[in-house]
Amino acid sequence: EVQLVETGGGLIQPGGSLRLSCEASGFTVGGTCMNWVRQAPGKGLEWVSVLYSGGSTYYADSVKGRFTISRDNSKNTLYLQMNSLRVEDTAVYFCARDGSPRGYYYYYMDVWGKGTTVTVSS
Amino acid sequence: QSALTQPASVSGSPGQSITISCTGTSSDVGNYNLVSWYQHHPGKAPKLMIHEVSKRPSGVSNRFSGSKSGNTASLTISGLQAEDEADYYCCSYAGSSTYVFGTGTKVTVL
Repeated sequence: EVQLVETGGGLIQPGGSLRLSCEASGFTVGGTCMNWVRQAPGKGLEWVSVLYSGGSTYYADSVKGRFTISRDNSKNTLYLQMNSLRVEDTAVYFCARDGSPRGYYYYYMDVWGKGTTVTVSS
Repeated sequence: QSALTQPASVSGSPGQSITISCTGTSSDVGNYNLVSWYQHHPGKAPKLMIHEVSKRPSGVSNRFSGSKSGNTASLTISGLQAEDEADYYCCSYAGSSTYVFGTGTKVTVL
């Protein structure tokens, strides 16, 4: 079964760091494009970052320079390292797989996890 | 990148059809046929309903359809059912390997 499970959320003080993990099953994270998307309390979905199969990474302006997306192919796991956290980073963080056929980029997300909650507060 | 504009809420009676609009700009919705739609029940994983403006993934009911005209994309749900009650989000490719989501629409089945 194709599945994504996020872990690593928690309560962290402003300025702190946290690393989220997203373990995949049923497919290999290294062979596809993977995203992080977040949802702040009472707000809509916000795209955060993408990691292409070739290794290129891109970020939303709101997290650029503070967040780093990466993967460990041996663990079939995607990560999001979050540094210099701000109160406004409080959200449920989802990882999601791009559903485009190999070699193509149609920019949609066909498999999502249930999310992990990050709360930034003093 | 500003969020795409969706109505905050749309409602309909069972069996009716409703349409959710998603308005962007010539830099996102208007420039790419790369609009997708997601259904989200709070506390659960979002579900892909439509990709590339009008393509429906296998397993998604044919009651869901998508279209686009200029800078506005639309999702239509026909034969509205109680299980369709959820939040719906559009998303567009915005160039330079970035995405932009819509503000979200709460669908209520009366």
